[in-house]
Amino acid sequence: EADIYQTPRYLVIGTGKKITLECSQTMGHDKMYWYQQDPGMELHLIHYSYGVNSTEKGDLSSESTVSRIRTEHFPLTLESARPSHTSQYLCASREDKNYNEQFFGPGTRLTVL
Amino acid sequence: GDSVTQMEGPVTLSEEAFLTINCTYTATGYPSLFWYVQYPGEGLQLLLKATKADDKGSNKGFEATYRKETTSFHLEKGSVQVSDSAVYFCALNNFFGNEKLTFGTGTRLTIIP
Repeated sequence: EADIYQTPRYLVIGTGKKITLECSQTMGHDKMYWYQQDPGMELHLIHYSYGVNSTEKGDLSSESTVSRIRTEHFPLTLESARPSHTSQYLCASREDKNYNEQFFGPGTRLTVL
Repeated sequence: GDSVTQMEGPVTLSEEAFLTINCTYTATGYPSLFWYVQYPGEGLQLLLKATKADDKGSNKGFEATYRKETTSFHLEKGSVQVSDSAVYFCALNNFFGNEKLTFGTGTRLTIIP
């Protein structure tokens, strides 16, 4: 059973607000990822990290930022939310070994009004 | 670059029907292949995986065989249940690349009693 948590599960917020989506894992995984999922289901990698103080942008350009100060914690921040940011955000982690799958959190469904 | 092409959905089947969801891939090197499942309102869960050619992954009655000659990893189940209704994602992880998961677009499966 994977131990990766995301809060909040659901968030409705007004335009211009700053928000932080939390992601934590208790498995000691070095590698962590953020995906944005379309209403049409497609998943897009927006950020990833190979360890503490390592962050990289993913395949899909995003106005969000991430930080990795502790191994277990990988928060995602939007400085000024817009309706175009409305989406499902999924966090994942994996061990630093070949062939190991990514474990996913339950997701945060964000709606920006 | 790497890519995964997945059977278009949605797919609707009657309970106890045979299921096939097609997945083909393009990648350099020797990727690992995965099927993930997403139940309503949840994150992704690993369903099965295969790490080398001719490997068969299996779980919960689902199977998929890594076919290098046809670059395919089709998902099959002999007798589906209503509880199998979900979105299914085929994915690859190329360890000669950037170690990120490349996902297909997802196939929504609905099983009717």
